[in-house]
Amino acid sequence: GENVEQHPSTLSVQEGDSAVIKCTYSDSASNYFPWYKQELGKRPQLIIDIRSNVGEKKDQRIAVTLNKTAKHFSLHITETQPEDSAVYFCAASKGANNLFFGTGTRLTVIP
Amino acid sequence: EAQVTQNPRYLITVTGKKLTVTCSQNMNHEYMSWYRQDPGLGLRQIYYSMNVEVTDKGDVPEGYKVSRKEKRNFPLILESPSPNQTSLYFCASSLAGRAFFGQGTRLTVV
Repeated sequence: GENVEQHPSTLSVQEGDSAVIKCTYSDSASNYFPWYKQELGKRPQLIIDIRSNVGEKKDQRIAVTLNKTAKHFSLHITETQPEDSAVYFCAASKGANNLFFGTGTRLTVIP
Repeated sequence: EAQVTQNPRYLITVTGKKLTVTCSQNMNHEYMSWYRQDPGLGLRQIYYSMNVEVTDKGDVPEGYKVSRKEKRNFPLILESPSPNQTSLYFCASSLAGRAFFGQGTRLTVV
């Protein structure tokens, strides 16, 4: 099956700085890559996703990039704010609905 | 309001006592799944269902059962819970890969 690795496991940034979280996947047939944000005590919620026919996608302060050749994708958060503090999960899927998740990154934004 | 509802939110039980965690969605999604979340391990899929009466094992199915008799409901059954099943459980329903999670069930087996 698919194996998704996520780094770093923890990340601290100063408010206003950028944060980057990276994931790699093993199955070259994977073609859907969502990112979820989980605030403390809450459920994971989808924040952005990208499909394999696109190299980059932006939504306000967040962006995701995909390198199919290298089999990695990244989440970029610019101008971080304290409310961005959460655990972020990447995932990969082969177009059906079976998601394989990374192990998560705990982001702390220091005011 | 579109939602996935799990019950109970918290459950403490004893080893070997059968339990069921319910999950219901109102979005008419065909695909539903169960995950467990453990520190350092992320979300691991237990079982999934692509439609009514169609279920299959995920990555960590041992010790769990599911059923899908109606499109909206996908209960998770632990026939004989053990302490290693202490975890945070999430149900999700999905459309085109986008998963919508329930509120979570924190299960403790003593």
